[in-house]
Amino acid sequence: QKEVEQNSGPLSVPEGAIASLNCTYSDRGSQSFFWYRQYSGKSPELIMSIYSNGDKEDGRFTAQLNKASQYVSLLIRDSQPSDSATYLCAFYSGTYKYIFGTGTRLKVLA
Amino acid sequence: KAGVTQTPRYLIKTRGQQVTLSCSPISGHRSVSWYQQTPGQGLQFLFEYFSETQRNKGNFPGRFSGRQFSNSRSEMNVSTLELGDSALYLCASSLRQGMNTEAFFGQGTRLTVV
Repeated sequence: QKEVEQNSGPLSVPEGAIASLNCTYSDRGSQSFFWYRQYSGKSPELIMSIYSNGDKEDGRFTAQLNKASQYVSLLIRDSQPSDSATYLCAFYSGTYKYIFGTGTRLKVLA
Repeated sequence: KAGVTQTPRYLIKTRGQQVTLSCSPISGHRSVSWYQQTPGQGLQFLFEYFSETQRNKGNFPGRFSGRQFSNSRSEMNVSTLELGDSALYLCASSLRQGMNTEAFFGQGTRLTVV
């Protein structure tokens, strides 16, 4: 079983819609979770971090964490073509490293 | 505030050669991690340094090594390059180790081995 599971996509949504990206993880001891956005040919950019159960909002982005279900998600409201990228889910393993999923490719259609 | 700086941005090397990549973390950050990214494998952890000490190492052969200097700058070295080492090498900088600490990536070094 992979430590972080993400649907590779592509997830296609129309402009203005809500994009919902999901991630499950296997380490029940994980406490810190992160979402990164990576444009093609570029490096990952941190967009959200979440440490407690529930929702965390930042602008058009909302991260949701459910530790009991080992599930973390990212909602992007009012999706724009510029949001088209690969979104990486990650958690801190507690052994001095971050574990990354392979990412979900999002396409926002104008 | 300057971000994470990686040099060089691009490298083309021949099989059998060695290469050294450099990473300067965000000012004040003391933890530096290295990752290899390939299309098939995603982001794979190489190693992590804090206060000049390697705290963890990923599942890579001994040809991959690294170090951190007293100013927190870090280098990684790959010896006897193989075609499969072609990848994007990413450095991530964190203020400290431990939970609830965000990591910020540099622009990466794209290594091509021919």
